[in-house]
Amino acid sequence: GAGVSQSPSNKVTEKGKDVELRCDPISGHTALYWYRQSLGQGLEFLIYFQGNSAPDKSGLPSDRFSAERTGGSVSTLTIQRTQQEDSAVYLCASSLNLLGSGGYEQYFGPGTRLTVT
Amino acid sequence: AQSVTQLGSHVSVSEGALVLLRCNYSSSVPPYLFWYVQYPNQGLQLLLKYTSAATLVKGINGFEAEFKKSETSFHLTKPSAHMSDAAEYFCAVSTTSGTYKYIFGTGTRLKVLA
Repeated sequence: GAGVSQSPSNKVTEKGKDVELRCDPISGHTALYWYRQSLGQGLEFLIYFQGNSAPDKSGLPSDRFSAERTGGSVSTLTIQRTQQEDSAVYLCASSLNLLGSGGYEQYFGPGTRLTVT
Repeated sequence: AQSVTQLGSHVSVSEGALVLLRCNYSSSVPPYLFWYVQYPNQGLQLLLKYTSAATLVKGINGFEAEFKKSETSFHLTKPSAHMSDAAEYFCAVSTTSGTYKYIFGTGTRLKVLA
């Protein structure tokens, strides 16, 4: 019965470096979401996975951002050539969304706080 | 396109007083609506959700919300505030098909005064 876990909890990186953020969803949850929480922008949707495929990447802010999910479980969000405006808390959520139905709540991890110096 | 508006980025109430946090939504179809709470340095925790069943929804920690289609509102209430209710509260609308991703409001920070 573990919840959604994310690692690292905090990451400080220098501008221009690449970072990887990891999300372990609740076992059996087919849907996985990444959101970004930043001052002035609130909570923004980034990307959605159903299984290993990502049918909705519409929230990724630039081509420096990418994500993958393997084995229908763990997901990694990668930010290349980080910029100061990438500083934010990155939240992962998983849900039991079954294809063709909705209304299932999303369960959120504690987030990764990214600081780009 | 769906959207959510939360009126009042900061709300202060006295301990024991009524809590009212406002949320209005925009959706061309009946939406799914959610309220989440976020304590400092933590993730979001679900308080309650509306999925087209009963219009008055009861959640955890004594919170409830009423879906009013005519007013496109889903306000969160609690009869008596506790100090432990101090947190940030987010209203979210979910698409009713496709990805079911959330569109969040900008959040309301609740302060409870002793």
